[in-house]
Amino acid sequence: TQLLEQSPQFLSIQEGENLTVYCNSSSVFSSLQWYRQEPGEGPVLLVTVVTGGEVKKLKRLTFQFGDARKDSSLHITAAQPGDTGLYLCAGQETSGSRLTFGEGTQLTVNP
Amino acid sequence: EPEVTQTPSHQVTQMGQEVILRCVPISNHLYFYWYRQILGQKVEFLVSFYNNEISEKSEIFDDQFSVERPDGSNFTLKIRSTKLEDSAMYFCATQNTGELFFGEGSRLTVL
Repeated sequence: TQLLEQSPQFLSIQEGENLTVYCNSSSVFSSLQWYRQEPGEGPVLLVTVVTGGEVKKLKRLTFQFGDARKDSSLHITAAQPGDTGLYLCAGQETSGSRLTFGEGTQLTVNP
Repeated sequence: EPEVTQTPSHQVTQMGQEVILRCVPISNHLYFYWYRQILGQKVEFLVSFYNNEISEKSEIFDDQFSVERPDGSNFTLKIRSTKLEDSAMYFCATQNTGELFFGEGSRLTVL
């Protein structure tokens, strides 16, 4: 089973600040997905990155897949209180359809 | 917007009892998954199901677990004899060829 290390586990910042969340593995994934999960709900997909070196932007969120497809980052610019939530990375293994999740980053953006 | 629905939202059971968790997938989806999330831990893959059979299962998915799609619509997860450590949120997820959609989860508490 492949492992994904996500950091930081907790992040508390002020509105307007920038932040980056990291997802690292020693294994190669066929794709990597970022989810956001609200309390009492299931994860909701934000983005999927597939190609090594790929960068995707979703408004103030920028997602990057490492060249070797072993790591990824989520960068949020000018964070807002509405960005508060649990962010999860998940890698799709090269053999099969299962997703391996990171432990999540609980982000709190204070007004 | 189409959604994956899960029932029950919360079930409390005694150790050793059988539990069935139900999921109604999005109508044109072909791939079905169960994941679980023990409180404070990462989301873990249990099983994937396609074309009326298990396509992949994890080490967690032992003989106490089974899945089926009895009537062509509901997708169920059965735990034959629950243990304390089965207490978790169980998420159903379904997919056509693209995005994976998660349900809101069923919280299982084993006493």
